[in-house]
Amino acid sequence: EVHLVESGGGVVRPGGSLRLSCAASGFSFDNYWMHWVRQAPGKGLVWVSRSNEDGSFTDYADFARGRFTISRDNAESTLYLQMSNLRADDTAVYYCGRDLSGEFDFWGQGTLVTVSS
Amino acid sequence: DIVVTQSPLSLTVTPGEPASISCRSSRSLLHSNGKLFFAWYRQKPGHSPQVLIYLGSNRASGVPDRFSGSVSGTEFTLKISRVEAEDVGFYYCMQALQTPYTFGQGTKLEIK
Repeated sequence: EVHLVESGGGVVRPGGSLRLSCAASGFSFDNYWMHWVRQAPGKGLVWVSRSNEDGSFTDYADFARGRFTISRDNAESTLYLQMSNLRADDTAVYYCGRDLSGEFDFWGQGTLVTVSS
Repeated sequence: DIVVTQSPLSLTVTPGEPASISCRSSRSLLHSNGKLFFAWYRQKPGHSPQVLIYLGSNRASGVPDRFSGSVSGTEFTLKISRVEAEDVGFYYCMQALQTPYTFGQGTKLEIK
């Protein structure tokens, strides 16, 4: 059974950093593109970043480029999102998602990041 | 960026009645490989999103057949033939033709 479990969220001050993890199980992690999507409290879904199967290609939303870094450890079946210079408007639940054929067929439960002084 | 405009933003439906949600894309989502990179998701309260429809009109595994997706040009429609109480939540469309992937604004479905 496919499982994606995010962790690493928490409260951080503006300008601070945080690393999110997404532990995958139940499938061949290194065969799939993976994504991060976020959802601010009471708001809609926003795509953040993606990585190809081996991490050699990555892509970012404009708000994430230069501040966030997506990476993966296929030996550990884990996806990461390193976030730096965090702002109040980065406050959101961050989900990882598995890309099947352009759609996200599995999502994690999400991890909440709160940026506040 | 591709803009996806979703409507309506809220919907109240009597159980057993049909429901329809639309999304319009600012450009064609037809890839050169012939596939439409467009999906529908439902997010139940307090849960992660769940894919309902992918590649424009394909029902995802485990999704009841009362959910269907259709497309006409850049207009995409999600139809629920008979709404049930468990269908409450937010519905989102998403284009995945090019990054940044973009979602519609979301439709809140409530039961009357």
